[in-house]
Amino acid sequence: QSVLTQPPSVSGAPGQRVTISCTGSSSNIGAGYDVHWYQQLPGTAPKLLIYGNSNRPSGVPDRFSGSKSGTSASLAITGLQAEDEADYYCQSYDSSLSGWDVVFGGGTKLTVL
Amino acid sequence: EVQLVESGGGLIQPGGSLRLSCAASGFTVSSNYMSWVRQAPGKGLEWVSVIYSGGSTYYADSVKGRFTISRDNSKNTLYLQMNSLRAEDTAVYYCARDGGIGGMAWGQGTLVTVSS
Repeated sequence: QSVLTQPPSVSGAPGQRVTISCTGSSSNIGAGYDVHWYQQLPGTAPKLLIYGNSNRPSGVPDRFSGSKSGTSASLAITGLQAEDEADYYCQSYDSSLSGWDVVFGGGTKLTVL
Repeated sequence: EVQLVESGGGLIQPGGSLRLSCAASGFTVSSNYMSWVRQAPGKGLEWVSVIYSGGSTYYADSVKGRFTISRDNSKNTLYLQMNSLRAEDTAVYYCARDGGIGGMAWGQGTLVTVSS
């Protein structure tokens, strides 16, 4: 059971907008820790998609955007394309005796219809 | 450019040991927080261990006492020594540079299969 909660799957038609939620608690997202998002295409390693809640690395299309509020974060994808079909993971940190632990969401499979 | 290349995975019997390596380029391992993250077949990402720039190390409860993270500054390489391996340790193991607010940069992963 993941510390951060994501929907197992979302889907949308080409050109549509989809959102993926990432729900945490007061010990992780709600504590002010940043949220990052990763895209994992089939058979490949995760790739950084959004960092620091809402920032896109160089090369990531502006169709991808992130936001954070309270104990949750969201990833939005507009103008859905076939190549967006992948697994998406949110990541943050959780307060612990060692300072903080890296925590992930369970992942969301995006299907482009 | 940040690059991470894992190696050392393979098929190992339950109870056996394996050492994974992660060769880094484009940055200095010892100046960064470095993590190992694993992904069991068909499952999500699971954080395994971290070594801070100051040398402190931390582990997930599932591997505590069995796995050891370390680094060789002269080789700019991260390691994960895995002992007393179990079937449930079967996964692709990724090393990652934890950039904090900048997110994680990942290697391509190495597959560890624990089976008799």
